[in-house]
Amino acid sequence: DAGITQSPRHKVTETGTPVTLRCHQTENHRYMYWYRQDPGHGLRLIHYSYGVKDTDKGEVSDGYSVSRSKTEDFLLTLESATSSQTSVYFCAISDLDRASYNSPLHFGNGTRLTVT
Amino acid sequence: DQQVKQNSPSLSVQEGRISILNCDYTNSMFDYFLWYKKYPAEGPTFLISISSIKDKNEDGRFTVFLNKSAKHLSLHIVPSQPGDSAVYFCAASALGNTGNQFYFGTGTSLTVIP
Repeated sequence: DAGITQSPRHKVTETGTPVTLRCHQTENHRYMYWYRQDPGHGLRLIHYSYGVKDTDKGEVSDGYSVSRSKTEDFLLTLESATSSQTSVYFCAISDLDRASYNSPLHFGNGTRLTVT
Repeated sequence: DQQVKQNSPSLSVQEGRISILNCDYTNSMFDYFLWYKKYPAEGPTFLISISSIKDKNEDGRFTVFLNKSAKHLSLHIVPSQPGDSAVYFCAASALGNTGNQFYFGTGTSLTVIP
């Protein structure tokens, strides 16, 4: 299994409070991603990182920010949580092989976030 | 708009028979396609992939077929086993300037009946 740790695994928070989710990898992979999984929507990309301090938006980035100050850590922050952000959040990593240009995503076990 | 679609939310198959899961995509720039399996309370796990230069890839009981003209891919599981019961997601990506963005379907829940 790819060395990906997400913390916390579960969190309940109130509307309007800030929340930070952490993803830590031990694989030294360049690319890191944050997805959310919701019924009827599958997995949707929030933000991703293509290197230290290099990030870009995904499909559903509104209300979220990210930071990557070192290769192994990718943080997802909800500045002011809303009930619509209740979801399961997955971190994923990839080591893009420029020779073959393909490499699958490997996922962590997720963080279940409930915003009340 | 959903760029990757899985139109069957669920599928039931008898043990030993073939399971066929389908996926359609709309973006002709996609050049790498993947299937993931997910159990409850776990992250998705990578199963098999195919690049756009191929139309078939096999790995044991799992085979992925790609029909680029129809923008369609399918996953065949033969023979199906009860342990295959899970949610299956297809995904597609296109290489951009900042790496691959991966787009996922909504998933198909497979139940293999003993």
